[in-house]
Amino acid sequence: IAGITQAPTSQILAAGRRMTLRCTQDMRHNAMYWYRQDLGLGLRLIHYSNTAGTTGKGEVPDGYSVSRANTDDFPLTLASAVPSQTSVYFCASSDGTTADTGELFFGEGSRLTVL
Amino acid sequence: GEDVEQSLFLSVREGDSSVINCTYTDSSSTYLYWYKQEPGAGLQLLTYIFSNMDMKQDQRLTVLLNKKDKHLSLRIADTQTGDSAIYFCAESIPNSGYALNFGKGTSLLVTP
Repeated sequence: IAGITQAPTSQILAAGRRMTLRCTQDMRHNAMYWYRQDLGLGLRLIHYSNTAGTTGKGEVPDGYSVSRANTDDFPLTLASAVPSQTSVYFCASSDGTTADTGELFFGEGSRLTVL
Repeated sequence: GEDVEQSLFLSVREGDSSVINCTYTDSSSTYLYWYKQEPGAGLQLLTYIFSNMDMKQDQRLTVLLNKKDKHLSLRIADTQTGDSAIYFCAESIPNSGYALNFGKGTSLLVTP
């Protein structure tokens, strides 16, 4: 079972370019999340989706957009990348029901460098 | 969101006990969590505690919860070099579905 698959693993791109980070899960989880991890700042929530067709803003949503067209996929798009978006991005999912313990399952991360 | 506070570094000798402390903010969080991150990998759930419990023991791990002070701790007995990693405390985020709010992480270094 793959769990959460993120792509690309690593990417360098020029400022101003558009970039989409892909995330797919095979656990049929209702909820999915995008976090960014920066040294000294820990993990910060960018966007989340509690179920297919719905999305919500996290702590640091500016400059990012997401969509949730189906249960399995939750892409994160940077419309016009800036150097401050250099980070490691983690996609995660959870069962997303009240009966669940709330455990998040994480992908391996996508390291993005914006020059 | 508001900050979940953790000390940033802890160094212990192999065989000693490690204690990682956390102060959280959301008193309505049903569960509180400890995650572990090894180099170059994503986070993995290490253990969690239900908010109506004071303590949970799971093999070498002991979690203590003080709801009055919003204090959570993780004790690792007989710490091994393989325990070297970053440990994150996490709570639920109000009004954000099932998202979690993480502390900045405590880097645990275990020396032989």
